[in-house]
Amino acid sequence: GAVVSQHPSRVICKSGTSVKIECRSLDFQATTMFWYRQFPKQSLMLMATSNEGSKATYEQGVEKDKFLINHASLTLSTLTVTSAHPEDSSFYICSASRQGRLLAYEQYFGPGTRLTVT
Amino acid sequence: ELKVEQNPLFLSMQEGKNYTIYCNYSTTSDRLYWYRQDPGKSLESLFVLLSNGAVKQEGRLMASLDTKARLSTLHITAAVHDLSATYFCAVDDMRFGAGTRLTVKP
Repeated sequence: GAVVSQHPSRVICKSGTSVKIECRSLDFQATTMFWYRQFPKQSLMLMATSNEGSKATYEQGVEKDKFLINHASLTLSTLTVTSAHPEDSSFYICSASRQGRLLAYEQYFGPGTRLTVT
Repeated sequence: ELKVEQNPLFLSMQEGKNYTIYCNYSTTSDRLYWYRQDPGKSLESLFVLLSNGAVKQEGRLMASLDTKARLSTLHITAAVHDLSATYFCAVDDMRFGAGTRLTVKP
């Protein structure tokens, strides 16, 4: 089956520093990757959608300059949280999609990255 | 703006009982997804529903889609403790419902 990895799984950083999270599709080429954040006991909030080689499309209310997304290849996307603050502490989840046989975009989720900003 | 509403948000049920979780969405959608999330974990894909009238079943879970009513249901049959988790529906642009936190009690 399709596997998506995220690295790191947990990160603690100091306020004002930047953190990079990697999302990789291990055994397939992803046409699109999605980035979500999830606060405790809440739903997933879509932050941005990225296609390889093009700029990410950010959801309303998500700061582009704060959450930098790079989709350098069909198997790798990165999310950089710049100048992190405690309110950025959250569970960040990526997903990758490929075109299925029925033209359905199946989503494969990474295991998530828990970011804590102190 | 597209809205995805799930109900109930919390569900506590006895083992062996049946129950249905509902997912309503506000605009047309070609696909409807159901996911499961265990505490501290990422999402596990359960079902992808592609067309009106689609019904899929896996074990004690059955999902259906009515695109005319903009409604999907996730039916739980004879619940067991292992089904305790949070269940999310999502529409084709990956907007999620609030989730239904299911607890199955012995």
